[in-house]
Amino acid sequence: ETGVTQTPRHLVMGMTNKKSLKCEQHLGHNAMYWYKQSAKKPLELMFVYNFKEQTENNSVPSRFSPECPNSSHLFLHLHTLQPEDSALYLCASSLPATGETQYFGPGTRLLVL
Amino acid sequence: QKEVEQNSGPLSVPEGAIASLNCTYSDRGSQSFFWYRQYSGKSPELIMSIYSNGDKEDGRFTAQLNKASQYVSLLIRDSQPSDSATYLCAVPPQGGSEKLVFGKGTKLTVNP
Repeated sequence: ETGVTQTPRHLVMGMTNKKSLKCEQHLGHNAMYWYKQSAKKPLELMFVYNFKEQTENNSVPSRFSPECPNSSHLFLHLHTLQPEDSALYLCASSLPATGETQYFGPGTRLLVL
Repeated sequence: QKEVEQNSGPLSVPEGAIASLNCTYSDRGSQSFFWYRQYSGKSPELIMSIYSNGDKEDGRFTAQLNKASQYVSLLIRDSQPSDSATYLCAVPPQGGSEKLVFGKGTKLTVNP
């Protein structure tokens, strides 16, 4: 596969469930990102990892837990989510420098019931 | 809080016309600027980047940057129905961060 891939593409979960989103990039990048996109809101940056180290946590609730085992893989672990967490979750990657182009994965459409 | 403002639209233009999309940003120290296109149900894809004042052309797309006015625009010439999408302006804040601040996006519809 090429570019940035995300699985699953669609996810429905209850508020008591635990699930994980996976992102993998095949571009040789070292910076990876999680974004949340809700209707009628700007893309919201959640987390940034640079060479596997978290460099940004944008005041995200603890029910979202990121994990970056290496520069090619990024996970977002979900537990006890709320219905308002339903959104499109996008992963992106880039070279680790200011102003570098970010390449997005196709996203995971999450519905919390 | 660094901000990026866009007119949410929708902007509707006839096929063949010029579509003009505008973006203002609050961080005077920002040095690079990006336009992403997002089709409905899809993820954003980069279509233009600009770093210097003036115009940058790529095919039917022209990005214009005016750092003094903190303004960046995207012109689409000879608009096609396939250009119908939401266009996102993105600006990294000053200070060496790799993160981007996105505007809410402008929804463009090109009518055949």
